[in-house]
Amino acid sequence: KQEVTQIPAALSVPEGENLVLNCSFTDSAIYNLQWFRQDPGKGLTSLLLIQSSQREQTSGRLNASLDKSSGRSTLYIAASQPGDSATYLCAVRRQETSGSRLTFGEGTQLTVNP
Amino acid sequence: EPEVTQTPSHQVTQMGQEVILRCVPISNHLYFYWYRQILGQKVEFLVSFYNNEISEKSEIFDDQFSVERPDGSNFTLKIRSTKLEDSAMYFCASGGLVLAEQYFGPGTRLTVT
Repeated sequence: KQEVTQIPAALSVPEGENLVLNCSFTDSAIYNLQWFRQDPGKGLTSLLLIQSSQREQTSGRLNASLDKSSGRSTLYIAASQPGDSATYLCAVRRQETSGSRLTFGEGTQLTVNP
Repeated sequence: EPEVTQTPSHQVTQMGQEVILRCVPISNHLYFYWYRQILGQKVEFLVSFYNNEISEKSEIFDDQFSVERPDGSNFTLKIRSTKLEDSAMYFCASGGLVLAEQYFGPGTRLTVT
């Protein structure tokens, strides 16, 4: 059974700092991995999708990497801003089919202080 | 930009009552999903739906739950007889075929009293 773990559970940084969020998964046979942002009481916003054959994806100040063989992904946020404050979720999809379920981690709650 | 929509945003119901949560997926997507998040816990998969049938379901999705795509645009989750432990945020998601990225709706907060 796939287990997804995110470290740290919470992170508080001053504005402008670069930071790294970590995600690990137990079964390396994944189809893809998605990073989401969740604001309090709100839905999930997809930030980046990395296919299993890719090593990284970039969108603006966000860069996600994937090391499938070691079961790890990182989300790098450059020059953090108070508006980045949210919970960041990592989720993986099994290999068998493109329509299969996402398995989520517990999330990292990020606070960026002005 | 196309988005997944869900109604209602908040539903309060009494234990034992039936509820129907509604979703309008992104129009050209082929895969549809329901997930839930109990307060303070992980997002959990409930069910996926493709080609007018359930393609996968979790152990949470028991006989009290059902899904339907009644008219080619809406996607619904029915809970037949709600329990207190069904209180959660329910998210609908949809996905295309090629990249298989899942897009989530804003959620319906279900409170069972």
